[in-house]
Amino acid sequence: ETGVTQTPRHLVMGMTNKKSLKCEQHLGHNAMYWYKQSAKKPLELMFVYSLEERVENNSVPSRFSPECPNSSHLFLHLHTLQPEDSALYLCASSQGKLLAGGYEQFFGPGTRLTVL
Amino acid sequence: RKEVEQDPGPFNVPEGATVAFNCTYSNSASQSFFWYRQDCRKEPKLLMSVYSSGNEDGRFTAQLNRASQYISLLIRDSKLSDSATYLCVVNLDGTASKLTFGTGTRLQVTL
Repeated sequence: ETGVTQTPRHLVMGMTNKKSLKCEQHLGHNAMYWYKQSAKKPLELMFVYSLEERVENNSVPSRFSPECPNSSHLFLHLHTLQPEDSALYLCASSQGKLLAGGYEQFFGPGTRLTVL
Repeated sequence: RKEVEQDPGPFNVPEGATVAFNCTYSNSASQSFFWYRQDCRKEPKLLMSVYSSGNEDGRFTAQLNRASQYISLLIRDSKLSDSATYLCVVNLDGTASKLTFGTGTRLQVTL
């Protein structure tokens, strides 16, 4: 089983749909992240969970709703999205919170989302 | 000034060439620095951390210049397989968990 998995890999949805992205990590890490990657823009950190508690919310619109039921699973619930939300959504995990020495973040393959 | 800034490229170099990328960051108090590699339509993967004293891993050398607030990545003897986008990543404000990514520098190594 690869380290960080994401499903689905591709998703097309209308603006009125509700869908969820799933991320699972098999590395025994206790921090998980959601990032958004749009064309020609840097990765944008959306949410951080550490030990199942949300520790960072980077002013993300409420139409994105994260859920972390345990340290291995992370969801991103989507509703009433806009076409500009079309992007690659990447999940990552790390051993712990980033400290001065840094902890490597391992990324999943991403979900390519298209909002029509 | 962007928080983490990179030349987007593309850098087109022949096999065997040496190529260097720079990246500037905005916060002088930044503590941790990394280079990630992202292949086309794939996820980013850590290439190497950047230490104050500089570090080398095979053909790759990373350096940190705190006074000028930049980090660099040098690739020697480029291979076709080095073709990718190289992301400069900084823990800008020392906040636990938060990494700030540059837009990436695209490298294309040709025959």
